[in-house]
Amino acid sequence: GAVVSQHPSRVICKSGTSVKIECRSLDFQATTMFWYRQFPKKSLMLMATSNEGSKATYEQGVEKDKFLINHASLTLSTLTVTSAHPEDSSFYICSASGAGGADTQYFGPGTRLTVL
Amino acid sequence: KQEVTQIPAALSVPEGENLVLNCSFTDSAIYNLQWFRQDPGKGLTSLLLIQSSQREQTSGRLNASLDKSSGRSTLYIAASQPGDSATYLCAVSFTGGGNKLTFGTGTQLKVEL
Repeated sequence: GAVVSQHPSRVICKSGTSVKIECRSLDFQATTMFWYRQFPKKSLMLMATSNEGSKATYEQGVEKDKFLINHASLTLSTLTVTSAHPEDSSFYICSASGAGGADTQYFGPGTRLTVL
Repeated sequence: KQEVTQIPAALSVPEGENLVLNCSFTDSAIYNLQWFRQDPGKGLTSLLLIQSSQREQTSGRLNASLDKSSGRSTLYIAASQPGDSATYLCAVSFTGGGNKLTFGTGTQLKVEL
C-alpha cells in the first residue's frame, strides 16, 4: 500500500510554454503533499507544501506565480510550471503523507522536465 | 539554519565489504530521521525511519543508528552487493518543521564485482 504516482514521467517542452505535473496517491488519502526539485547530482530541495483545500506554503526563494500548486482533492496535487525556461529543467518529485503514520512521506517516481 | 550533510559524497567498494555512510545535522531538535535510496533517474525508496526517541533501526542487511546529542546518524550496510549501488539520502524532520524533510547531499555508492 501507500503508492504515489506521478504523470508524466518525462516531458520536453519549448521555452515559454506551461507544463502541468500530476501527483496522485493511489490507495490512501493524502492530507498533505510536498513538491521537491532535484538538480543533477544534487539533493532534493523542498519547493512547497500543500494541504488539501488550502493554499500551498512555498519555501523561501520559490516563486509562487511561477510554480502553481493545486491540491484540490485528497488524492491529487498538481504542479504547473508557467512560462518555462531552460533553467527550470530539473527532476521534480512529489511526496504525500496521511497513510497510517501521519508523519511518513511516500514519494512518487519523479518527473523529468526538459525545457528547450 | 537547519542543515543536513553527508559524507562521503561518493564511495566505491568491492562486493562483500561492510560499509558505513554518515549523516550529520545541525540541530538536535528533530522529530525523526530517514534513510532513502535513489536509483539513477528514479524516485526515492524509504529504507529506514528512526524516531527521535529511538537509537537504531534494522532491516535485513541495513542498520541505521541515531545520536541526537552529537547530531549524527550512520547507515551500516553489511555484506554489500552490486545491487546496493545507488545514491543514499539522509533526511531529517526537524521539530516545529511541520513534517517537512530536509535532505542531505547524498552518498553515491558503487559496489563492484
